[in-house]
Amino acid sequence: SAVISQKPSRDICQRGTSLTIQCQVDSQVTMMFWYRQQPGQSLTLIATANQGSEATYESGFVIDKFPISRPNLTFSTLTVSNMSPEDSSIYLCSVGGVLYEQYFGPGTRLTVT
Amino acid sequence: QKEVEQDPGPLSVPEGAIVSLNCTYSNSAFQYFMWYRQYSRKGPELLMYTYSSGNKEDGRFTAQVDKSSKYISLFIRDSQPSDSATYLCAMSVSGGGADGLTFGKGTHLIIQP
Repeated sequence: SAVISQKPSRDICQRGTSLTIQCQVDSQVTMMFWYRQQPGQSLTLIATANQGSEATYESGFVIDKFPISRPNLTFSTLTVSNMSPEDSSIYLCSVGGVLYEQYFGPGTRLTVT
Repeated sequence: QKEVEQDPGPLSVPEGAIVSLNCTYSNSAFQYFMWYRQYSRKGPELLMYTYSSGNKEDGRFTAQVDKSSKYISLFIRDSQPSDSATYLCAMSVSGGGADGLTFGKGTHLIIQP
């Protein structure tokens, strides 16, 4: 299975500011995924990041609010822009496995005050 | 109707009992099914993954998929207090390497010593 790390593990930010979350994988992968887990809710897919192309966003998520970079096959960043308290969530990155499974990072716990 | 329905619990059982966790879904295009375990303040840990209908066993865990009923299950035998966690079902159309996952809300499981 892939080993995935995320930075920061947690942060407390003021509304109106932006936070960039980093995701590092120990092997090269084609697709990386970003999810949000709001309190008491399902994990929800934000976007899919394919190296060398623009990220694909799910309904309800837009690039201006959640810009994503994918500079190489082992790294991606997600920025949460112009934050409001509603953005307080756990943000998770994931990658596909050898077959059809998917592995997740430890998550970034974001609190917006 | 949500795409994936999962009883949030909590489900409380005595140590050693057999646990049955279930999800139903509405999208007949789902072909790949996964179960994750998530401890508090941790990322989801992949437990089982299956393709299409059938059973798969791994140690104390058995995953079942009935595509005709759009129903999946995870059984845990000889449950231990360390199994206390939230269990998430997830599924995708094209597999976790190519496709984001759709999750249930998770079932909170408590194993009483």
